[in-house]
Amino acid sequence: DVKVTQSSRYLVKRTGEKVFLECVQDMDHENMFWYRQDPGLGLRLIYFSYDVKMKEKGDIPEGYSVSREKKERFSLILESASTNQTSMYLCASGPANSPLHFGNGTRLTVT
Amino acid sequence: RKEVEQDPGPFNVPEGATVAFNCTYSNSASQSFFWYRQDCRKEPKLLMSVYSSGNEDGRFTAQLNRASQYISLLIRDSKLSDSATYLCVVNPNQAGTALIFGKGTTLSVSS
Repeated sequence: DVKVTQSSRYLVKRTGEKVFLECVQDMDHENMFWYRQDPGLGLRLIYFSYDVKMKEKGDIPEGYSVSREKKERFSLILESASTNQTSMYLCASGPANSPLHFGNGTRLTVT
Repeated sequence: RKEVEQDPGPFNVPEGATVAFNCTYSNSASQSFFWYRQDCRKEPKLLMSVYSSGNEDGRFTAQLNRASQYISLLIRDSKLSDSATYLCVVNPNQAGTALIFGKGTTLSVSS
């Protein structure tokens, strides 16, 4: 079974803090993705990566950055957290042109 | 026109009912299609892929209509445990792009 592990299930951070969300997959997938999900807005793509050290902006990259130093790990960084970044964050991985496997999500609250 | 559109519902049906969801997509070059299921406060999980010839998995049947650019999911003999949000997913088959998720259709099965 594919395992996508997100480092935290729940996080509470203060406005202005730097926040790191970590994601690790164990299936040697080339592609990794970060989404956020909010009620009524569905899944929105923040960033994705097709290979180590490369990244592509998704639909809503503003306020976020990513890092992929190793194939199995894809980190999402909130440089200066804001209240409008309170959300459920979902990491996913998969081979090219194939379905994605999701981690169980990180519910981030920024106060 | 939105890239992937679904009726958000909710669809409220009794146990044993047959229910069908449709999803339309805008990019005629899209090559692969999937249905995901998402339970409340959980991550999306792959339900089934959608093939050109249609495919069936137990009580679930998925169909693709390329001419009209829609895919469908039929659930027969609904169970209480089928209550969830069903996400339509399209692979636009363009370099540098990711899978596109619909916002989901909510199904509630009652006894």
